[in-house]
Amino acid sequence: GESVGLHLPTLSVQEGDNSIINCAYSNSASDYFIWYKQESGKGPQFIIDIRSNMDKRQGQRVTVLLNKTVKHLSLQIAATQPGDSAVYFCAEFWMDSSYKLIFGSGTRLLVRP
Amino acid sequence: SAVISQKPSRDICQRGTSLTIQCQVDSQVTMMFWYRQQPGQSLTLIATANQGSEATYESGFVIDKFPISRPNLTFSTLTVSNMSPEDSSIYLCSVSRQPNTEAFFGQGTRLTVV
Repeated sequence: GESVGLHLPTLSVQEGDNSIINCAYSNSASDYFIWYKQESGKGPQFIIDIRSNMDKRQGQRVTVLLNKTVKHLSLQIAATQPGDSAVYFCAEFWMDSSYKLIFGSGTRLLVRP
Repeated sequence: SAVISQKPSRDICQRGTSLTIQCQVDSQVTMMFWYRQQPGQSLTLIATANQGSEATYESGFVIDKFPISRPNLTFSTLTVSNMSPEDSSIYLCSVSRQPNTEAFFGQGTRLTVV
């Protein structure tokens, strides 16, 4: 399939360790943020979201942290598994002439067995 | 979630021709977005397509090159017109029922222009 993430920064972690993927977003007025996982040859898959009135949200094995002061998001994956290997994107919803969902640059996660 | 069907999944086209990509959703959605993704890169928003209004294009994308239709709340098309090899990319449709809510993606259309 199409190689996603060839030119993206790469995070390499040992299977079973925790992973932290970071993202700087653009617009201080953004209200809503989403983390996506994209595997080769597939469209982005929704992982977890967070609204601007929250600092932290937890899902199954994943946690998203939001720091609005420095416009920073992070995705924490607990007990990383080989199936977590993919490219991860953060995206922000904002409004100017219309609502739009804008993607960050992405990080490739490699899980070593 | 929403089930999104995007067609075609891939195509190889001659330069100078046009290709229309279809995006069908299994439920009514307010917002539909069209993206382009070059190999190894992030997704770039082409335009936002809301039913009953003209699509809103991002900087660097124009209606003559990427005309969009949004005839109802479950369907949209993106046409890539007068194609050149530089248009070779993956094109993705995304939908969201309301602003600031979950947005889901189709599998994408892999376009190669020769």
